[in-house]
Amino acid sequence: NAGVTQTPKFRVLKTGQSMTLLCAQDMNHEYMYWYRQDPGMGLRLIHYSVGEGTTAKGEVPDGYNVSRLKKQNFLLGLESAAPSQTSVYFCASSYSSYPGHFGDGTRLSIL
Amino acid sequence: DQQVKQNSPSLSVQEGRISILNCDYTNSMFDYFLWYKKYPAEGPTFLISISSIKDKNEDGRFTVFLNKSAKHLSLHIVPSQPGDSAVYFCAASEVGGGADGLTFGKGTHLIIQP
Repeated sequence: NAGVTQTPKFRVLKTGQSMTLLCAQDMNHEYMYWYRQDPGMGLRLIHYSVGEGTTAKGEVPDGYNVSRLKKQNFLLGLESAAPSQTSVYFCASSYSSYPGHFGDGTRLSIL
Repeated sequence: DQQVKQNSPSLSVQEGRISILNCDYTNSMFDYFLWYKKYPAEGPTFLISISSIKDKNEDGRFTVFLNKSAKHLSLHIVPSQPGDSAVYFCAASEVGGGADGLTFGKGTHLIIQP
C-alpha cells in the first residue's frame, strides 16, 4: 500500500520554466490537497479538491494551477516559475476536510 | 497575523521523561485542533486531534489538553522515546471550516536525549 506518492522528489528549474508535480493516492480518498512549506513557516494551502473534477483555491494560490481529472491523481502546475516558488511541496489526501495522509514532499528550487 | 503560534522552535527532553509541546491561538472561532508529527525528508503524519467540546483527548502515550479560556493547547508525550524526535505542528480549524480552513503553526522541533 503506497499511500500518497509524489513525483518528482527533487527538481531545479530556471525562472520562467514550467513544470507539473504529480500526486497519486491509492486510498480512494475524496479530498486532496497541495501545501507548501517554507523555512520557519507552517504549511500553507495552495489548492485543494473535494472530489474528481473539482478544485478550489487555498491560502496561496497565485502562480499555480491544479487539475483532478482522476480521483486518484492531483496535479500541481507552475506555468512560469519564479524564485518565490522555491519551497517544499506536500500533497495530502483524506476522507474528511482535514488532511490525514501526506506524501514525502517535492523539493523545488527556482534559480 | 499569526493565528496559531508555537512559541518554542525547539525542545530538548530526556528519554523516559514527559514532553510538553505548547500551542496558542488567537482566533476564538477555532473549534477543532490537530497535531501532526514530521520526520526529516518525510511528509507530516496525523497524530491526534481534539474538538472544543472536550478538554482532553488521549491516545496511548499522547494526550492533548485544550484550555479554551486561555486559547491554549498542549501535547503531552509520556514517556518520551527516541522515535519521538521530530517536528510537531499544531493546526486549528474554525467552526464550519472546510478543507481550506486549517491553519498551521510553525512547528516545534522535539529532541529526545538518551
